[in-house]
Amino acid sequence: NAGVTQTPKFRILKIGQSMTLQCTQDMNHNYMYWYRQDPGMGLKLIYYSVGAGITDKGEVPNGYNVSRSTTEDFPLRLELAAPSQTSVYFCASSSLRDRRTNYGYTFGSGTRLTVV
Amino acid sequence: TQLLEQSPQFLSIQEGENLTVYCNSSSVFSSLQWYRQEPGEGPVLLVTVVTGGEVKKLKRLTFQFGDARKDSSLHITAAQPGDTGLYLCAGAKTSYDKVIFGPGTSLSVIP
Repeated sequence: NAGVTQTPKFRILKIGQSMTLQCTQDMNHNYMYWYRQDPGMGLKLIYYSVGAGITDKGEVPNGYNVSRSTTEDFPLRLELAAPSQTSVYFCASSSLRDRRTNYGYTFGSGTRLTVV
Repeated sequence: TQLLEQSPQFLSIQEGENLTVYCNSSSVFSSLQWYRQEPGEGPVLLVTVVTGGEVKKLKRLTFQFGDARKDSSLHITAAQPGDTGLYLCAGAKTSYDKVIFGPGTSLSVIP
């Protein structure tokens, strides 16, 4: 059971370049999320999806795009990379939530992106 | 503005000591979660608390949700080097809200 898989693990981009961060999960989870983590700032939500074909903006969506064509995959696209996008990016997933049970997010191991 | 505050930001202790870290908010949450994140890895869920005053234990870790559901604490007894990591609290105001994360407490346990 792989859980949430993210690729690549590390990447260096030049300013203005584009790239796609890949995320796939094998738990048949409906919900998927993209976060960025900066030192001392916690995790900030970029985009999320409640199911295939449905996506919505989070707290910090500018400069990013997403798509959700299948339940398993939720790629994050960076267009025209900027130094402010240097960060660690995490993809997460969760099942339909019930507050009476121990629900939580399953995270991937992250992609460390540097824009120079 | 951080809706979830965590303290302390950094903590370095000797193996065998006890410690408590805190997660506070001015808002009421329907649930709070605690995660531990090791260097180079994603956060891993430790526990979810949903009832005001609830206490949950996970081996040497004790989690408490405040009576007013605005705060939570994590107490570690006899800390071990394997407890080293970033401890994140996260909360949702309702069952259908997105979870928000605090900035974390970075714990270092020295052998």
